[in-house]
Amino acid sequence: DAGVIQSPRHEVTEMGQEVTLRCKPISGHDYLFWYRQTMMRGLELLIYFNNNVPIDDSGMPEDRFSAKMPNASFSTLKIQPSEPRDSAVYFCASSSGTGGQPQHFGDGTRLSIL
Amino acid sequence: EDQVTQSPEALRLQEGESSSLNCSYTVSGLRGLFWYRQDPGKGPEFLFTLYSAGEEKEKERLKATLTKKESFLHITAPKPEDSATYLCAVCGGATNKLIFGTGTLLAVQP
Repeated sequence: DAGVIQSPRHEVTEMGQEVTLRCKPISGHDYLFWYRQTMMRGLELLIYFNNNVPIDDSGMPEDRFSAKMPNASFSTLKIQPSEPRDSAVYFCASSSGTGGQPQHFGDGTRLSIL
Repeated sequence: EDQVTQSPEALRLQEGESSSLNCSYTVSGLRGLFWYRQDPGKGPEFLFTLYSAGEEKEKERLKATLTKKESFLHITAPKPEDSATYLCAVCGGATNKLIFGTGTLLAVQP
């Protein structure tokens, strides 16, 4: 079975540019999560969706960050305008059922803002 | 506030030298404790879920155990391919959010 698919794998862009990260969850999973990983802060949850509806976006750092899930097989995380401190690895994960079920992660997007 | 602390931060073992990694947690109403393995440049790979104190899970050279305050990941006779960062996470209360520890970087030398 295909796992969580993220694109692009690497993104390098200049400060102020718009960045869009993409995620395709595992088919049949009804929860989708966006995380950010840095050396300083580890893995942090940004936002999660249930059945395409955002449930908790309390981890989204600023209004520059937005996420959408237009259908069950696609989600985007957008940063506009981007800043150097947004440089990190961004992961998407999906799961089925409630909180006792494991989340399965994609291989991430390594984002560098110059 | 839910919290996860992992120790040690880094561990270097010789091939065949067994050891344990620790994950201490505080959470309201544990719904699951999860162990993941993360290789460089990859996303976390799910290993185990533990739901209640006393539970144990095994997979090859790895065995995870759970008490009311902590979990251990025991590595028996490790091989170099076991080298990775091991992450612990908890889910508690009424949410589906995972709270992750900062991980243990394991290096197994031949």
